[in-house]
Amino acid sequence: EPEVTQTPSHQVTQMGQEVILRCVPISNHLYFYWYRQILGQKVEFLVSFYNNEISEKSEIFDDQFSVERPDGSNFTLKIRSTKLEDSAMYFCASSGQNDSPLHFGNGTRLTVT
Amino acid sequence: AQSVSQHNHHVILSEAASLELGCNYSYGGTVNLFWYVQYPGQHLQLLLKYFSGDPLVKGIKGFEAEFIKSKFSFNLRKPSVQWSDTAEYFCAVNSGGSNYKLTFGKGTLLTVNP
Repeated sequence: EPEVTQTPSHQVTQMGQEVILRCVPISNHLYFYWYRQILGQKVEFLVSFYNNEISEKSEIFDDQFSVERPDGSNFTLKIRSTKLEDSAMYFCASSGQNDSPLHFGNGTRLTVT
Repeated sequence: AQSVSQHNHHVILSEAASLELGCNYSYGGTVNLFWYVQYPGQHLQLLLKYFSGDPLVKGIKGFEAEFIKSKFSFNLRKPSVQWSDTAEYFCAVNSGGSNYKLTFGKGTLLTVNP
């Protein structure tokens, strides 16, 4: 079964540094998402992306965050200047149709020190 | 705004015991409801979903859930759990809008002892 893959599985960075989290969605999917889960808290929606633009974003997704689909396969989340509170598990997801269930990746654990 | 409550943070059962995990949501309109499972070290996987129709939904691995609109609930059940069901279970709701934005509950960790 096709999978959503995320790299790296664990990223450690210093406060103020830029990080890029990478995702390869399922190849024929059209809708892409980032979610995050701070330790002990809920999985939270960050952003959805379709047709090369953001279709919806949450209040968490401020100017420090950006997403990009630089080529036909990758979908990246960039945090420009990381803060301690950005430490979380970041999940990428994709879906084929607007009303299809999401397929999630294994997540990238981001630790900001 | 939507919210999802899962009342049990950690449930510990023995094999063959019956399982019911509670999920309540708050949203006045039409909702789509989901249960996701995350096995240790793995990604979130869809267990089952409810969009419309029969409120008793059957999913994979013997799980089922019942949508009770009057109670704003979507509880997950399994008549006889196995050790391999040890995982974290997340209830989620989507208001059926044009984007697939899910609101998740905090999750319930299920530990099944052999």
